[in-house]
Amino acid sequence: DSGVTQTPKHLITATGQRVTLRCSPRSGDLSVYWYQQSLDQGLQFLIQYYNGEERAKGNILERFSAQQFPDLHSELNLSSLELGDSALYFCASSLTGLANEKLFFGSGTQLSVL
Amino acid sequence: GENVEQHPSTLSVQEGDSAVIKCTYSDSASNYFPWYKQELGKRPQLIIDIRSNVGEKKDQRIAVTLNKTAKHFSLHITETQPEDSAVYFCAARNSIKAAGNKLTFGGGTRVLVKP
Repeated sequence: DSGVTQTPKHLITATGQRVTLRCSPRSGDLSVYWYQQSLDQGLQFLIQYYNGEERAKGNILERFSAQQFPDLHSELNLSSLELGDSALYFCASSLTGLANEKLFFGSGTQLSVL
Repeated sequence: GENVEQHPSTLSVQEGDSAVIKCTYSDSASNYFPWYKQELGKRPQLIIDIRSNVGEKKDQRIAVTLNKTAKHFSLHITETQPEDSAVYFCAARNSIKAAGNKLTFGGGTRVLVKP
């Protein structure tokens, strides 16, 4: 167990809908990262937060948004869902988000858009 | 931004043989290189990492080497076992705070160890 908690584990929804994925980082970690992994694909960086502030942005669609709350948990919001958004979404956390820190991943949320 | 290339995409080895996975990166500011193992449907798990001030690191049957001049690093697994079968990802991370120190992953290598 990495200490990073993601809910829900599975999510099935329809095209056009909106969903929220939740992540609680490891105790003491201030930085949260979101990654998308499509079937048989690598890990695509979406966005990073540090202590409530956006730190870095990757290939995140405009239909997607995220935030980190004062208690350090993070939510990834996906709207106007398309079939191609079906993927495994991982959250990871690290202590401060600086270089040389290990990233620990949650178990992921499997999103299926039908 | 950083680009990490990983080869091969699939690797099949006989149990007991060695497996080698190679990665190259583009950003000379990268200074942290972790390797993750991902079993089917599971989360990526850190198995070993190396920092830019070190050329080689070993942990039991796993070793990583880093060549900063050539901007490539490799994972070596010796005496492979069936439980080593998984997808392995290399990654690189830069030291520039303004860039967010994001971790960029290679495309992954699917390793199959045949008994």
